[in-house]
Amino acid sequence: DIQMTQSPSTLSASVGDRVTITCRASQSIYSYLAWYQQKPGKAPNLLIYKASSLESGVPSRFSGSGSGTEFTLTITSLQPDDFATYYCRHYNSYSGTFGQGTKVEIK
Amino acid sequence: EVQLLESGGGLVQPGGSLRLSCAASGFTFSSYTMSWVRQAPGKGLEWVSALTGSGYSTYYADSVKGRFTISRDNSKNTLYLQMNSLRAEDTAVYYCAKDSGVEAYFQNWGQGTLVTVSS
Repeated sequence: DIQMTQSPSTLSASVGDRVTITCRASQSIYSYLAWYQQKPGKAPNLLIYKASSLESGVPSRFSGSGSGTEFTLTITSLQPDDFATYYCRHYNSYSGTFGQGTKVEIK
Repeated sequence: EVQLLESGGGLVQPGGSLRLSCAASGFTFSSYTMSWVRQAPGKGLEWVSALTGSGYSTYYADSVKGRFTISRDNSKNTLYLQMNSLRAEDTAVYYCAKDSGVEAYFQNWGQGTLVTVSS
């Protein structure tokens, strides 16, 4: 099974900061990677698919990059609504696994 | 607008059974692979099971294989998860999720239903 490793686990940042989250796959997943945002008590929300494609309605301050085994999610100019937990997930197969999550906290 | 509404969660004793339902609307249900994803309290997301639109192909995480059964009724636009031999570690919020129809990423999610396995 392909393992997904996210870093960092927790990130403290201020409004206006540029934030980068990394996700590494244990083997190549080409560009079959999605990023999700989850707020407490809510379902996850799709941000990015195919590693770098922005889902409709998602603010342009979110962007994704990478291919193969290393991927990043970048938030330029962090907003108050962005404090949440972020997950990557590979979908190289239907059984694609999630990363362990990165919690973005207020500094 | 795509809507996914889970139901059927609750408190069940270890070894017991429960059936979850996910009522779908706003899209052609039979055209999409549907999945169940769970989240234990305070933990991350775990994919549980998937079922193709036709209902012919099923997929399970090793942690639930042989105990859980995914199914769907395309005439009722409803996805199911039959959970048997439940364990304490199955305690979680269970979400149903719809893929994009083109690739296997989860484009839409339900609000989730809580399953608690405890004596």
